[in-house]
Amino acid sequence: KAGVTQTPRYLIKTRGQQVTLSCSPISGHRSVSWYQQTPGQGLQFLFEYFSETQRNKGNFPGRFSGRQFSNSRSEMNVSTLELGDSALYLCASSPGRSSYNSPLHFGNGTRLTVT
Amino acid sequence: DQQVKQNSPSLSVQEGRISILNCDYTNSMFDYFLWYKKYPAEGPTFLISISSIKDKNEDGRFTVFLNKSAKHLSLHIVPSQPGDSAVYFCAASGDSWGKLQFGAGTQVVVTP
Repeated sequence: KAGVTQTPRYLIKTRGQQVTLSCSPISGHRSVSWYQQTPGQGLQFLFEYFSETQRNKGNFPGRFSGRQFSNSRSEMNVSTLELGDSALYLCASSPGRSSYNSPLHFGNGTRLTVT
Repeated sequence: DQQVKQNSPSLSVQEGRISILNCDYTNSMFDYFLWYKKYPAEGPTFLISISSIKDKNEDGRFTVFLNKSAKHLSLHIVPSQPGDSAVYFCAASGDSWGKLQFGAGTQVVVTP
């Protein structure tokens, strides 16, 4: 079974631009969550989607948004990029229901650098 | 507000010895706890978990202990191996499974 796939692996953008990151969950998984990892803040929860609906949102500004498609694939978008948005963005998937029997599985992330 | 805390940023242990990683939490609504291991340039990999109704869970070399009254959990790795050198994250889940609160991580180095 293929794992969680995130594209692209690396991205360099300039301040003020916007960026879209993509995530394909494990086949059969209907829940997708996004996390931001920075050296200073650790792993911070961004949002969680289940069956195309946002189920939870973390404490991030409105410049961060996401969506989930009917095939469970997910994208997150960051508009008006700031230097502080430089981070590793991680996507994770789980079956969604009865999920205490199955932990979150993470992809290898997209490394975003804002210059 | 850091609800999950790993107060030791690093741990060095000799190969074959026990590694003990600690984690404290403040939110009594957390009902599931997990440990993840992370290598550089990779995503976190699930290691072991424990429900709040238990006080111990074991899987091979890994054992997690939960002390609810102290809001404390620990991960024991016995025996430690060089491949265990990585960053270990403690995480907790409360209101939704996909929303985990992570600790800051502990860098473990296993020396020969």
